[in-house]
Amino acid sequence: NAGVTQTPKFRVLKTGQSMTLLCAQDMNHEYMYWYRQDPGMGLRLIHYSVGEGTTAKGEVPDGYNVSRLKKQNFLLGLESAAPSQTSVYFCASSYSPGQGLNSNQPQHFGDGTRLSIL
Amino acid sequence: GDSVTQMEGPVTLSEEAFLTINCTYTATGYPSLFWYVQYPGEGLQLLLKATKADDKGSNKGFEATYRKETTSFHLEKGSVQVSDSAVYFCALSLITGGGNKLTFGTGTQLKVEL
Repeated sequence: NAGVTQTPKFRVLKTGQSMTLLCAQDMNHEYMYWYRQDPGMGLRLIHYSVGEGTTAKGEVPDGYNVSRLKKQNFLLGLESAAPSQTSVYFCASSYSPGQGLNSNQPQHFGDGTRLSIL
Repeated sequence: GDSVTQMEGPVTLSEEAFLTINCTYTATGYPSLFWYVQYPGEGLQLLLKATKADDKGSNKGFEATYRKETTSFHLEKGSVQVSDSAVYFCALSLITGGGNKLTFGTGTQLKVEL
């Protein structure tokens, strides 16, 4: 069972370079998310998507762009990398909430991408 | 805004000791509550959840009870093992028109020694 797969696992960039992180899920989930994890700050939501062709901003969206052209894939782009974007990036996916109150579906996470910007 | 506060770590225990990791939350609505665990080099895994007041989530010997009156969701385990060493995250989720986004605490590192 693949679940949520992130590529690459590690990457080192120079300031100003661009790159794209790929997230793929095989669980037919509607919702997908990108987080960054920094020491002492937990996980913070960058962008998310509630369905194919839709994206929305999270808590810390500046400097990032995303695309959801296919339901199973969610791409995170850095157009001009900055040292402040050095972090571990996690992708997650979930089913959409069911009908009624308290139907939150748990999120399933990938193993992360460790990104260093020099 | 919504927030989650966890006790700071690291927490270091001997094997078979009792574990409590405190978690309190602030939310404008009626959230669902989760505990996630992150083992070294891996992503987060759902450990347990509770969706309404007085619900008890449990898994792998861990448990937590949703206490609305104290806005808390403390994680407990009666006897920890070395294999429980990991970082534990408390989180809340509110259903909104924009998806069930999670708000995480900062995480608590647990180290269990022989």
